Amino acid sequence: SFVLTQPPSVSVAPGQTATITCDENTIGGRNVHWYQQKPGRAPVLVVRDDSDRPSGIPERFSGSNSGNTATLVISRIEVGDEADYYCQVWDTGDHLFVFGSGTKVSVL
Amino acid sequence: QVQLQESGPGLVKPSQTLSLTCTVSGVTVTAGGYYWSWIRQPAGKGLEWIGHIEASGDTNYSPSYKSRVSLSLDMSQNQFSVDLASVAAADTATYFCARARGTYYNWYFDIWGRGSLVTVSS
Repeated sequence: SFVLTQPPSVSVAPGQTATITCDENTIGGRNVHWYQQKPGRAPVLVVRDDSDRPSGIPERFSGSNSGNTATLVISRIEVGDEADYYCQVWDTGDHLFVFGSGTKVSVL
Repeated sequence: QVQLQESGPGLVKPSQTLSLTCTVSGVTVTAGGYYWSWIRQPAGKGLEWIGHIEASGDTNYSPSYKSRVSLSLDMSQNQFSVDLASVAAADTATYFCARARGTYYNWYFDIWGRGSLVTVSS
């Protein structure tokens, strides 16, 4: 299998933009999904298929994927967006789910 | 509205088998196009996929757990379960059940249970 690398933490001021990356050599050729997990809660899907937002997810959440990096962008960030964020891909060869290491987003 | 709910012992002794059940409502586990999955998260750490089972009963497991994990489906109760054998303190974690949807090339988790904390201790 392979490893998805995320920065351990990202800190931004309210109203600014948070950028969370997910790195892997072949990721540009895969569909990447992003989950938000608040303390003591289950993860919630915020972006699927690189850039598609599920129903109910604010437009402030957007995603992209190219080359070696997939990116989740949270615009006009709010205190309520503080959470851990995980990227995830499907390993077609071995039929496995792979999660990124996770990024803690702090809104200071 | 689809919902998943984990249940099972919160405390398991070392070397014993951890068993959890996920009760599904709003959709039948026999419906095609889904993978019924287990994921765990040790305190303060990331998400670890354990394995999944399809409506056909076919399973797939993470290499990290393959030697000691088993998933099963109970269609009459609309549930699926996980058994993890020979547990140790390192298996202490919150265990989530989740539904995955997708195609051959692309799967993701759209519905999660709330999670069940399991502690391994004598």
